[in-house]
Order: sequence, then structure tokens, then C-alpha cells
Amino acid sequence: DAGVTQSPTHLIKTRGQQVTLRCSPKSGHDTVSWYQQALGQGPQFIFQYYEEEERQRGNFPDRFSGHQFPNYSSELNVNALLLGDSALYLCASRQFNRGWKQETQYFGPGTRLLVL
Amino acid sequence: SQQGEEDPQALSIQEGENATMNCSYKTSINNLQWYRQNSGRGLVHLILIRSNEREKHSGRLRVTLDTSKKSSSLLITASRAADTASYFCATVTNRDDKIIFGKGTRLHILP
Repeated sequence: DAGVTQSPTHLIKTRGQQVTLRCSPKSGHDTVSWYQQALGQGPQFIFQYYEEEERQRGNFPDRFSGHQFPNYSSELNVNALLLGDSALYLCASRQFNRGWKQETQYFGPGTRLLVL
Repeated sequence: SQQGEEDPQALSIQEGENATMNCSYKTSINNLQWYRQNSGRGLVHLILIRSNEREKHSGRLRVTLDTSKKSSSLLITASRAADTASYFCATVTNRDDKIIFGKGTRLHILP
């Protein structure tokens, strides 16, 4: 049973460019969340996708957008990259639970993005 | 924004000793979770404690929750070199479904 996978593992871009990061959730999971983790900080919630729609969003500008496909995989797109976008981008998946908020998430290894 | 705040920011102890990390948060929660992260890699879920629970155990881990003080603690007993990592508390509020992480405690186990 494969866990959460992310690609690529590392990426170098220059300011102003656009980037797309990909995530495949753990088998049986239908909800994907994305996080940004700057060096020495905790992960910051970007947004969550369920049923191919953005369900919740953190405090990130519109330059950050996403998509979820019918197979539950997801993409994170960042436009007009800034130096401050350099970070580890983490994807996490879980099975949506309409009842009790049991929120155990499974994280992927992350994509490390460096913006020059 | 950060909901949880871990204390201390960094901790170094001898192998075999117990390590205690604390987390304080600001708003009412549905549950609180602890995660471990090794060397900037993906996070590993350790334990989840619900707002109506006061203590949970998992192997060498013991988590307590005091909702009146809006605080939690993670105790790792009989520490090992492999426990060297960053530990994060994360909260889920009743208001929404987001998981909000603190800044973490960097734990270093000395041989």
C-alpha cells in the first residue's frame, strides 16, 4: 500500500516563474491538503481539496491555486514566484469524515522549492 | 497564523532520559495532535487527543491535555538517538476543518 507521494522532490525556479507540484494521496483517501513550511517554522495550511473542489483555504494569496482530479490526486500551482516562496511544500491526505473530526493525516515527503 | 506554540524551542538531553515538550494554544479545539519530523522531511503523525480526553499513551509517548489552560504536553520516556527530530503540536478547532501547526520543538538526544 503506497503512502502519499509527491513530485518532484526538489525544484529550482527563478522569480516570476510558475511552478506546479503534484501529489498522489494514500490509497483510500479522498481529501488532500497542502502546506508550506519555511525553514525553521511549522507547516502553514494553504488549502484543502475534496470532491475536486477547494473546501478550505489558509491565508495565502491567489497566486497559490490548486486542482484535484477524479482519481483524488492533486496539484499545487504557484504563479509569479517570489523569493519568499522558497520552502518545503507538503501534501497530506486523509479520508473525509463527516462525523467526528478524527483528523489523522498522512504526509508525503514534500517538494523542496528554491526560488532564485 | 500559528495557533499552537511549543515550548521549549529546542531541547537537548542524554539518551535514556525523559523528554517533555509543551504546547499552548489560543482558541477552543476539537482535538490536538502531535507530529514528528526528521531533518525537514515529511511529518509523521504520533498521537491524537480529543478535547474530552485528558491523557493518552502510545508506546513510550504520553500526551496530556488541559483544556482549561489551553495546553498540552508530550512526554517521551527512555529517549533514544532515533528520537532526535522536530516535534509539532497541531490543533483542529470546532469552527473549521483546518489543522494549524505550531513552530515546533527541536529535540536532540545526546549519546
